[in-house]
Amino acid sequence: GAGVSQSPSNKVTEKGKDVELRCDPISGHTALYWYRQSLGQGLEFLIYFQGNSAPDKSGLPSDRFSAERTGGSVSTLTIQRTQQEDSAVYLCASSFSGSQNLYGYTFGSGTRLTVV
Amino acid sequence: AQKITQTQPGMFVQEKEAVTLDCTYDTSDQSYGLFWYKQPSSGEMIFLIYQGSYDEQNATEGRYSLNFQKARKSANLVISASQLGDSAMYFCAMRGLNYGGSQGNLIFGKGTKLSVKP
Repeated sequence: GAGVSQSPSNKVTEKGKDVELRCDPISGHTALYWYRQSLGQGLEFLIYFQGNSAPDKSGLPSDRFSAERTGGSVSTLTIQRTQQEDSAVYLCASSFSGSQNLYGYTFGSGTRLTVV
Repeated sequence: AQKITQTQPGMFVQEKEAVTLDCTYDTSDQSYGLFWYKQPSSGEMIFLIYQGSYDEQNATEGRYSLNFQKARKSANLVISASQLGDSAMYFCAMRGLNYGGSQGNLIFGKGTKLSVKP
């Protein structure tokens, strides 16, 4: 597609419920990243996918968080048993990798998650 | 470990004037890239400008320029002729260029909120 698409744009969920956030990256981008941005804060790295390699999960804050990327394209970030501190904007980004990636990432518009 | 520091939580500038947003960084990488992103109230992250660590000249993109001082590890963003539409959060970021994986992630500063006054 023309840009990185994220859905839903807004999600309100009850504490304890599971949520799934979707990211559709730019066609041809082999790298996909998830970041979290809490209110008034910078971006916190969560997870990184590169081609068919095992994902780098070093930024996931707890085992309630997981992510998949199917067929090297669409990615789903799942948060189980949501807590109020999970409320944030979840941003997805994609890019070319290696020497091709000189200009950073293209970000989606994010999913604003509110846990009540 | 890499670190980005933006010491100005908020800045005000008069319309049509220039403004400098500060960014300092820390890294042990020999080769790296520095980025600035703009985040308006709509929430999207907009790429503005890029500077490679081995680039001899400061990067420029229209009204944006990057004042790169490698020895001081600073990469300040200069916006000339500010416009009302420049009001937004601005994030400085960096990544190593030699490899992918977690060490090649973009690391972000906490941002500077710029407000342009008419």
